[in-house]
Amino acid sequence: DIQMTQSPSSLSASVGDRVTITCQASQDISNYLNWYQQKPGKAPKLLIYDASNLETGVPSRFSGSGSGTDFTFTISSLQPEDIATYYCQQYDNLPPRLAFGQGTKLEIK
Amino acid sequence: QVQLVQSGAEVKKPGASVKVSCKASGYTFTSYGISWVRQAPGQGLEWMGWISAYNGNTNYAQKLQGRVTMTTDTSTSTAYMELRSLRSDDTAVYYCARDSGVNWGQGTLVTVSS
Repeated sequence: DIQMTQSPSSLSASVGDRVTITCQASQDISNYLNWYQQKPGKAPKLLIYDASNLETGVPSRFSGSGSGTDFTFTISSLQPEDIATYYCQQYDNLPPRLAFGQGTKLEIK
Repeated sequence: QVQLVQSGAEVKKPGASVKVSCKASGYTFTSYGISWVRQAPGQGLEWMGWISAYNGNTNYAQKLQGRVTMTTDTSTSTAYMELRSLRSDDTAVYYCARDSGVNWGQGTLVTVSS
């Protein structure tokens, strides 16, 4: 099974800061990677799909990059409403399966 | 718009079974699969399995093989996840999601306690 290693596990930053989260796959996953935001008591929300595509309606300060085994998620200018836990997720189609990173809890400094 | 509406919270005793439903609307149900994901209190997301709403094919996480069954009812556009032989560490919020996770249900809290 493919393992996803996400770092850091927690992060404290100031409003306006640039924030970066990384995710590493245990083997080549091409661009089959999504990024989610989860706020307390809520379901995860898709932000980035296929490694670098912004989901409709998601602010442009969110972005993703990478392919193969190494991926990066960036918030260009942190806003107070961005406080949440972020997850990377790898997906396979044959057979269909998902694997999540451990999550990054983002807090305001 | 796409909606996935799940059944309500459940409290079960160890050894019992639970069946969670997920009713889909706003898209052609049989054109996509349904993934099930759970989240224990204060923990991360754990994939449980996937079912094709087209033909009922399934793929379950290895650790749940033998205890989980996923089904669909295409007449009502509803997916079901049954988990048997419940243990305390099955206490979690259970989510359904369309395919890899474009849309999610609101979650169903399942509490396993004696």
